[in-house]
Amino acid sequence: NAGVTQTPKFRVLKTGQSMTLLCAQDMNHEYMYWYRQDPGMGLRLIHYSVGEGTTAKGEVPDGYNVSRLKKQNFLLGLESAAPSQTSVYFCAGGGDANTGELFFGEGSRLTVL
Amino acid sequence: RKEVEQDPGPFNVPEGATVAFNCTYSNSASQSFFWYRQDCRKEPKLLMSVYSSGNEDGRFTAQLNRASQYISLLIRDSKLSDSATYLCVVKRGGGNKLTFGTGTQLKVEL
Repeated sequence: NAGVTQTPKFRVLKTGQSMTLLCAQDMNHEYMYWYRQDPGMGLRLIHYSVGEGTTAKGEVPDGYNVSRLKKQNFLLGLESAAPSQTSVYFCAGGGDANTGELFFGEGSRLTVL
Repeated sequence: RKEVEQDPGPFNVPEGATVAFNCTYSNSASQSFFWYRQDCRKEPKLLMSVYSSGNEDGRFTAQLNRASQYISLLIRDSKLSDSATYLCVVKRGGGNKLTFGTGTQLKVEL
């Protein structure tokens, strides 16, 4: 089992470019999440999904869009990248019902110049 | 005020020492609590859940004080491999979203 896999691992963008981060999971989680992690800020929730076809805004959704067309995939899109979106992005699955365990991908380091 | 607050550290301790971290949370509706561990440039991983009665897992002990709204993590007999950032995580009842603290960095030295 691969668990939660993110692609790409690293990316450098110019301001205004667009890109999509892909998160794939083979753990059958209903819930999936996208976080960003910045120094001194901790992990902040961007968007999340409670099941196939559903998405919801988290704490810092502006500038991002998401889609969950299939249960196993959760896509994070940046339509027009800005330097403020330079960060490490983590996808996670889990947090179901009574458990607080999230299974994270290895992270995607994005730099916007 | 942040919903979850932690001392960022770093805590530099010698091997074999006992070290404790505290975390405070602001929302009294919080119902579930966890400690995650994050190694440098890696993803966070669940270390242990925190139960009302306190719980222990080997060298690690977690405690919850609802009246004062804080949780703690005690590490006994520190190992070099314990060097990491420890994230305090809080979950509100009825929801599935977790709120992460910024983490406390631990460095265990020879």
